Amino acid sequence: DAGVTQSPTHLIKTRGQQVTLRCSPKSGHDTVSWYQQALGQGPQFIFQYYEEEERQRGNFPDRFSGHQFPNYSSELNVNALLLGDSALYLCASSRRGGNTGELFFGEGSRLTVL
Amino acid sequence: TQLLEQSPQFLSIQEGENLTVYCNSSSVFSSLQWYRQEPGEGPVLLVTVVTGGEVKKLKRLTFQFGDARKDSSLHITAAQPGDTGLYLCAGVSGNQFYFGTGTSLTVIP
Repeated sequence: DAGVTQSPTHLIKTRGQQVTLRCSPKSGHDTVSWYQQALGQGPQFIFQYYEEEERQRGNFPDRFSGHQFPNYSSELNVNALLLGDSALYLCASSRRGGNTGELFFGEGSRLTVL
Repeated sequence: TQLLEQSPQFLSIQEGENLTVYCNSSSVFSSLQWYRQEPGEGPVLLVTVVTGGEVKKLKRLTFQFGDARKDSSLHITAAQPGDTGLYLCAGVSGNQFYFGTGTSLTVIP
């Protein structure tokens, strides 16, 4: 049973560029959440997707957008990259209405903006 | 924004020592979770506490949920090098998870 998989694991971009990060949720999960994590800090909630729609959003600008596909996989897009966007981007999947309320995380995509 | 503050932010102790990590918020949560994250990996759930005043034990780890469901603590007895990692609390409200600021623990052999 594959867990949450993210790609790419590492990438380097320059300011102003655009990036797309991808996530496949754990089998049986239908909800995907994206988080931004600075080194040594707690994850900051970006947004959550369920039934191919953005359901909740954290305090992130419109440069951050996403998508969820019919197979529940998801993409995070960031436009006009800034140096401050350098971080670990985590994808977490869960099952809406599930009893455990547990988030399963991928290993993350480490983005460096130069 | 529902903010969870963790203390201490950093902790470096010798193997065999005991420690406590605190997670405090002004918000009430339906449940609170603790995760551990190791370098290069995503956070992994350790425990979920649901009832105010609840205490859960997981081997050498003891978790407590405050009576008012706003705060929590994690106590580790006889810490081992394998306990090294970033400890995160997360308050759960509906389908939303609010993560704490994190406590980085290093256990020195």
